[in-house]
Amino acid sequence: AQSVAQPEDQVNVAEGNPLTVKCTYSVSGNPYLFWYVQYPNRGLQFLLKYITGDNLVKGSYGFEAEFNKSQTSFHLKKPSALVSDSALYFCAVRARNAGNNRKLIWGLGTSLAVNP
Amino acid sequence: GAVVSQHPSRVICKSGTSVKIECRSLDFQATTMFWYRQFPKKSLMLMATSNEGSKATYEQGVEKDKFLINHASLTLSTLTVTSAHPEDSSFYICSARLSDTQYFGPGTRLTVL
Repeated sequence: AQSVAQPEDQVNVAEGNPLTVKCTYSVSGNPYLFWYVQYPNRGLQFLLKYITGDNLVKGSYGFEAEFNKSQTSFHLKKPSALVSDSALYFCAVRARNAGNNRKLIWGLGTSLAVNP
Repeated sequence: GAVVSQHPSRVICKSGTSVKIECRSLDFQATTMFWYRQFPKKSLMLMATSNEGSKATYEQGVEKDKFLINHASLTLSTLTVTSAHPEDSSFYICSARLSDTQYFGPGTRLTVL
């Protein structure tokens, strides 16, 4: 069965420090991988995706993520955290051969708190 | 680009009434849209996949007669919560698919009294 795990319910980091939000997945075949961010009472905003090519993907707001096939991981990173990065982060995956449905499998979310 | 709107952003209704939520892709056409429900501090629960010009595909456990979905054009999908009850109170979010990526609306907070 396809699944996504975000092992940390909450991540706390000091402003200016690097941040990592972890994501591992289980899917048959090669995956499409996504990160989204959600601010309070808002919809989700697309951050970045891995489809193919370079394993290191750069996205919005200075975020990046690295696809690691052997570890089946797609951790989200940022070199220097901002207080405004505090939000809920979701990792999602779908199988490359998902057909016309193409629905995403979602992690449970990680709440990131950046402390001033 | 890839902007999705939702209307209304917030609605309060009485138990037993119906509520319609609209989801529009503003700058692209979307053959496929998705409807999600989100509980407080919880992940997204996919309710159904909406396909333009055809019937929606509902996830297991979602009542299709209660949550009516219509996707009449390439830029508009609607979700109607029929005979709403307090347990239907939630945050409903739609997304529209462009190429391989889903872009999300800002969500609708439904409160049923």
